[in-house]
Amino acid sequence: DTAVSQTPKYLVTQMGNDKSIKCEQNLGHDTMYWYKQDSKKFLKIMFSYNNKELIINETVPNRFSPKSPDKAHLNLHINSLELGDSAVYFCASSQGGGFEKLFFGSGTQLSVL
Amino acid sequence: AQSVSQHNHHVILSEAASLELGCNYSYGGTVNLFWYVQYPGQHLQLLLKYFSGDPLVKGIKGFEAEFIKSKFSFNLRKPSVQWSDTAEYFCAVNRSPGTGGFKTIFGAGTRLFVKA
Repeated sequence: DTAVSQTPKYLVTQMGNDKSIKCEQNLGHDTMYWYKQDSKKFLKIMFSYNNKELIINETVPNRFSPKSPDKAHLNLHINSLELGDSAVYFCASSQGGGFEKLFFGSGTQLSVL
Repeated sequence: AQSVSQHNHHVILSEAASLELGCNYSYGGTVNLFWYVQYPGQHLQLLLKYFSGDPLVKGIKGFEAEFIKSKFSFNLRKPSVQWSDTAEYFCAVNRSPGTGGFKTIFGAGTRLFVKA
């Protein structure tokens, strides 16, 4: 069983399009996250949700909108995609605030053409 | 602002060589420290962590790290690397409960290539 699963694994799209990435965790964790990994492998937090409540929003453009229908799911919707959005997006979860450790999904490689 | 610095961006070693990857953080309060590893084509997974107690932490696959509070450092070591250790290594910091949390800050990563 995959603990943190995200779909799709690859996403290729044109500039200006709207796309979504889905994430689900079956670990019973309270907190979920979205991280962005750029081409230089730098990993930066975007959002953190705890029990469906937004905790962290790290100066991410408004075009990015996370949605958490329940604590096991955290989806990421991106409007009006730009070239600079090309990256690998990782979903993660933790019990509590990440003080123990993060469990990562396998990533979604987004390519905006 | 809280930050994590990894000094080496790329490291190339031969098998059986010793490894030390540097990590420094800037936050002055109580922190939890981590090393994560990302093997080619895979997701990040925890290598080891430090919360309190013995500053020398042992992790999986023969890795260890030493927390030196006075130097704000948490360097990763392995006495003898193997080809299978080729991966990207990330140092990370999280603040302790009661002081915010929910935000694990990652260093820029060190890409290790081990020659067979």
